[in-house]
Amino acid sequence: EPEVTQTPSHQVTQMGQEVILRCVPISNHLYFYWYRQILGQKVEFLVSFYNNEISEKSEIFDDQFSVERPDGSNFTLKIRSTKLEDSAMYFCASNPSKGGMNTEAFFGQGTRLTVV
Amino acid sequence: KQEVTQIPAALSVPEGENLVLNCSFTDSAIYNLQWFRQDPGKGLTSLLLIQSSQREQTSGRLNASLDKSSGRSTLYIAASQPGDSATYLCAVRDYKLTFGKGTLLTVNP
Repeated sequence: EPEVTQTPSHQVTQMGQEVILRCVPISNHLYFYWYRQILGQKVEFLVSFYNNEISEKSEIFDDQFSVERPDGSNFTLKIRSTKLEDSAMYFCASNPSKGGMNTEAFFGQGTRLTVV
Repeated sequence: KQEVTQIPAALSVPEGENLVLNCSFTDSAIYNLQWFRQDPGKGLTSLLLIQSSQREQTSGRLNASLDKSSGRSTLYIAASQPGDSATYLCAVRDYKLTFGKGTLLTVNP
């Protein structure tokens, strides 16, 4: 069964360092998302990406964050200068091309980011 | 701003019991509602998707209902098993998914 794949599963980084979280969405999906879940809190929307550009972003997604689809298969989230409060589980998700918003969202297993 | 609330926050039941998890949302302008399962420290596994035009969706021992006008959904789990122990998340979609905090379910053998 097709699945969304995220790497790495766990990343530890020092405060102020740049990190790149990687995702391989399900092939033929065209809508991509990043969400995050701080320990003990709700899953929160960060950004949506369609047709090679950001379609929506939340207040959390400030200038420190960026997304990219560099090669038609990978979908990356970059945090330029990490802060302690960026420590969270980051989830990538995708929707099938057909139906877009009306279809089921598929999530990856997440990358646990720990900023020390 | 959409708000999603799940009640109860935690539930502990003996094996074999039928149970109901509740989800409410404040804005009825949604495309669909999705129920997820999350095991500790793990990702989100989709259980059921209900379109805004649907009232009910079933998968095995799971049945989800949606009353969009009142902003409510329920997830019914029949004949619960210890393997059902997990956190169950409800999420509603406009252009994004908005999640509740979840119900932590423990099924005791």
